[in-house]
Amino acid sequence: DAGVIQSPRHEVTEMGQEVTLRCKPISGHNSLFWYRQTMMRGLELLIYFNNNVPIDDSGMPEDRFSAKMPNASFSTLKIQPSEPRDSAVYFCASSRGSSGTKGYTFGSGTRLTVV
Amino acid sequence: DAKTTQPNSMESNEEEPVHLPCNHSTISGTDYIHWYRQLPSQGPEYVIHGLTSNVNNRMASLAIAEDRKSSTLILHRATLRDAAVYYCILRDPIQGAQKLVFGQGTRLTINP
Repeated sequence: DAGVIQSPRHEVTEMGQEVTLRCKPISGHNSLFWYRQTMMRGLELLIYFNNNVPIDDSGMPEDRFSAKMPNASFSTLKIQPSEPRDSAVYFCASSRGSSGTKGYTFGSGTRLTVV
Repeated sequence: DAKTTQPNSMESNEEEPVHLPCNHSTISGTDYIHWYRQLPSQGPEYVIHGLTSNVNNRMASLAIAEDRKSSTLILHRATLRDAAVYYCILRDPIQGAQKLVFGQGTRLTINP
């Protein structure tokens, strides 16, 4: 099992540009989560999906952020337009089932720098 | 979500046991206790979870107090690779708490 795969590993972009982060969850996992990590705020949950349906997006900071999950094996997090304060490490995680007793598997993250 | 309290940092020596405490005095009867760790420059990693009984796996042991208001993650023989931030998290499956809410965790330093 290759685990949760995120791309790119690093992204440097100029303020105002569109940024798309990608995630491939573990096959068979039906829940997917997007997190953001900064020194100041720690790990924050942005949005999560169950069976490709967004369940809770209350952590999405503003309308510039959007996430999609067109199928069970792919999800994107888009920031448009990007701002320097969006600089962070973005993690994707997946889990099997929705019981809350299962562990999550995290990807290695995408380090985003907006200059 | 019920809150957990952990020390900001701890230090231990290689090849010695490490006991990482977590207080959760407002835990509900259906909350599971989960532990994750995050190694430098990596995503968080699941370590262990339990409800009432003590649990063991290849990574660690979880000791849960009888009143469930506290728990301890035990690394039986720490190595340098165990240096990480350790997070104690409560999750209630009945309330549909699929969200994993991370606190600040305990930064564990292992001395050679």
